[in-house]
Amino acid sequence: AQTVTQSQPEMSVQEAETVTLSCTYDTSESNYYLFWYKQPPSRQMILVIRQEAYKQQNATENRFSVNFQKAAKSFSLKISDSQLGDTAMYFCAFMKEGAGSYQLTFGKGTKLSVIP
Amino acid sequence: GAGVSQSPSNKVTEKGKDVELRCDPISGHTALYWYRQSLGQGLEFLIYFQGNSAPDKSGLPSDRFSAERTGGSVSTLTIQRTQQEDSAVYLCASSLPPGTYEQYFGPGTRLTVT
Repeated sequence: AQTVTQSQPEMSVQEAETVTLSCTYDTSESNYYLFWYKQPPSRQMILVIRQEAYKQQNATENRFSVNFQKAAKSFSLKISDSQLGDTAMYFCAFMKEGAGSYQLTFGKGTKLSVIP
Repeated sequence: GAGVSQSPSNKVTEKGKDVELRCDPISGHTALYWYRQSLGQGLEFLIYFQGNSAPDKSGLPSDRFSAERTGGSVSTLTIQRTQQEDSAVYLCASSLPPGTYEQYFGPGTRLTVT
């Protein structure tokens, strides 16, 4: 079974600054995907960024980038130029690749507040 | 296009009653998932449907929980004899067939059992 750990229950950042959210995971699988999802107060889960484990290059999506360290089983999210709309819960998630149900295993989440 | 929709948005029920939660996936998405989000347990997988294959029910917490998906589209999650510990937000997600991997989530149904 896989586990995902987010060690920071809450974080805050000043608007326009940079913040990094931590995530570690435990798995015996070789092939998998990692995700960061954002959940604003509206409850709608939104995919922020995705990383394929076989890719060494870190994924980036505009102001969002990850630091993927496969050997250390670490997958942190960096948000640059933080905006008020980034205020939300952020969930790190794991998905095993291959035959199966492709279910997501989530961490407990980090509540991020962007301060004006 | 339209996203994943869920109804009702909120549901309050008395302990012991049965409830049905509905999910309308994105048109053309053959994979459908139910997750439960609670304060104590975080986000947990419940059940997965893929096309006409037998569903993966490995995440259902008890036999009071069941789900069906009619015509490969709409899904209903049923909780029988509700208990207070069933209070949570129930999230539905859908995706294209395996190979795309992005799951699109609905806004959820908040269930409160009194």
